Amino acid sequence: DVKVTQSSRYLVKRTGEKVFLECVQDMDHENMFWYRQDPGLGLRLIYFSYDVKMKEKGDIPEGYSVSREKKERFSLILESASTNQTSMYLCASRRKTGRSSYNSPLHFGNGTRLTVT
Amino acid sequence: GENVEQHPSTLSVQEGDSAVIKCTYSDSASNYFPWYKQELGKGPQLIIDIRSNVGEKKDQRIAVTLNKTAKHFSLHITETQPEDSAVYFCAASQNSGGYQKVTFGIGTKLQVIP
Repeated sequence: DVKVTQSSRYLVKRTGEKVFLECVQDMDHENMFWYRQDPGLGLRLIYFSYDVKMKEKGDIPEGYSVSREKKERFSLILESASTNQTSMYLCASRRKTGRSSYNSPLHFGNGTRLTVT
Repeated sequence: GENVEQHPSTLSVQEGDSAVIKCTYSDSASNYFPWYKQELGKGPQLIIDIRSNVGEKKDQRIAVTLNKTAKHFSLHITETQPEDSAVYFCAASQNSGGYQKVTFGIGTKLQVIP
């Protein structure tokens, strides 16, 4: 089974702090994703990465950056945490899909609940 | 971009009854429709998926139907059990700039009452 591990289950940070959320997957997946989950809004894509060193903005990238130095690890960075970034953050990975190939499903970690005070 | 609407947002059923969750999508280019189940304290997990060239797919007590013309797809759970209680997300996936972009619905909280 694919395992996606998020380093922290709960995190409490102060406004203005730099925050790192770490995610590691063990199935050699090329694609990795960061979502945030908020009640009534579902899952919204923050950033994703096709492969090592690559990154693309998702639907809500403002206030976030990412790093993918190794294939198995994808980090989400909050440069200066704000209270509106209090949320559940979910990391996911997926086997590479081509334009005409079968869409492989996302495999999610168990999430990091971040509170910014 | 793609927009996925999901309803109801909450659903309570008696154990043994059926549950149906419905989704609509806006972009006819969407070609893959996965459903995820999120149990308390866990991340979403794929439970069933359907591709655009298939109208229906079943896996034991769960089934998904797709109406491409109407841009509707639905999840059906029969003989519900307490362990089916969870949040369910539908999603639509399409090619976008060389990768597959996934758009999620807002989720349905299903409660199965013993």
